[in-house]
Amino acid sequence: AQSVTQLDSQVPVFEEAPVELRCNYSSSVSVYLFWYVQYPNQGLQLLLKYLSGSTLVKGINGFEAEFNKSQTSFHLRKPSVHISDTAEYFCAVRYGGATNKLIFGTGTLLAVQP
Amino acid sequence: GAVVSQHPSWVICKSGTSVKIECRSLDFQATTMFWYRQFPKQSLMLMATSNEGSKATYEQGVEKDKFLINHASLTLSTLTVTSAHPEDSSFYICSASYPGTGDTEAFFGQGTRLTVV
Repeated sequence: AQSVTQLDSQVPVFEEAPVELRCNYSSSVSVYLFWYVQYPNQGLQLLLKYLSGSTLVKGINGFEAEFNKSQTSFHLRKPSVHISDTAEYFCAVRYGGATNKLIFGTGTLLAVQP
Repeated sequence: GAVVSQHPSWVICKSGTSVKIECRSLDFQATTMFWYRQFPKQSLMLMATSNEGSKATYEQGVEKDKFLINHASLTLSTLTVTSAHPEDSSFYICSASYPGTGDTEAFFGQGTRLTVV
């Protein structure tokens, strides 16, 4: 079955420290990968996406992610976090095929502390 | 560009009444829109895929007679929660496939908080 796993439900980190949010997906021939951020009571904002090409993808707000096909992972990283980065982060995968629906992970709450 | 707007952002209704939520793509035409439901501190669960001019495709376990979806135009999809009950209280989010990316990317509305009392 197609699935997306975010192992960490919550990641506490101090301000200006680096952070990595993990995402793994079930293997498939072709996938499109996305990271979204959600602030309380709001919709989702796209941080970055991998469709093809370079496996290192840079997004907004200083975030980047690396697509690792052999490990079926798409971990999100930021070298130095800010208080304002505190939010819920969702990894999502679109599997190749006729449908273009997204399958979401369970989300990771990034809690940045001063 | 690529803005999706949902209305209302929040609504409170009495048990047994129906509520309609609108999802509009403001600056592009979307042949496909999606409706999600999100429980507190949980992920988004896809409810249905809405295609313009045809019937929506519902995910397993979603009551199509309770959650009516209409995609009447390329910029508007509506979700109507019929005979709402307190257990229908949730955060509902829509998204629309963006043709400028070959429909590989979807943009999300800001969500609607439904509370049934």
